[in-house]
Amino acid sequence: AQTVTQSQPEMSVQEAETVTLSCTYDTSESDYYLFWYKQPPSRQMILVIRQEAYKQQNATENRFSVNFQKAAKSFSLKISDSQLGDAAMYFCAYRRNLGYGGSQGNLIFGKGTKLSVKP
Amino acid sequence: GAVVSQHPSRVICKSGTSVKIECRSLDFQATTMFWYRQFPKQSLMLMATSNEGSKATYEQGVEKDKFLINHASLTLSTLTVTSAHPEDSSFYICSARDGLPGNSPLHFGNGTRLTVT
Repeated sequence: AQTVTQSQPEMSVQEAETVTLSCTYDTSESDYYLFWYKQPPSRQMILVIRQEAYKQQNATENRFSVNFQKAAKSFSLKISDSQLGDAAMYFCAYRRNLGYGGSQGNLIFGKGTKLSVKP
Repeated sequence: GAVVSQHPSRVICKSGTSVKIECRSLDFQATTMFWYRQFPKQSLMLMATSNEGSKATYEQGVEKDKFLINHASLTLSTLTVTSAHPEDSSFYICSARDGLPGNSPLHFGNGTRLTVT
């Protein structure tokens, strides 16, 4: 079974600084997807960034980028120029490639990291 | 972008009553919907997977007779918490995947906060 581990329950960053959130996962599959979701106090799940395992290039979305190390099964999220609105819970998630059937695409989530941004 | 509407956003009910939560895909056909439960300061845990026109698949430890799921159409899935008890108080979130071929993303509803008194 696949598992996702976020070892940092809480992190704090100064506004305008950079912070990195860690995520490791375990799987025996070679083709899958990894995601970072943001959950602000409103509880809405917001997709931040997604990485396809077969792509070696790290995904980037504006101030958000990932460091995907497939061999190490590591998928960290870097937030540059942190803003007050970035404060939220961040969840790392895994999903198998749907072409392989089985799970029908459900996400397996880590326990989350609560990010605080100091003004 | 794709929108998933979940209602109600908050509900308070008395112990022993039943509560129905609706999850609708507004601009796409959701062949598969997922129901998650989230306790305070914890992660989302998958409860069940529902496919349109067939029985839901429940995760281990989730009582199917207590959490009734109906996916009657390609745009609507409902979760009914039957004979609710205070320990059922939680945040319930649905998500939906469209029927397009390939690895389409999941779209999440805004969640329902259930409080059982």
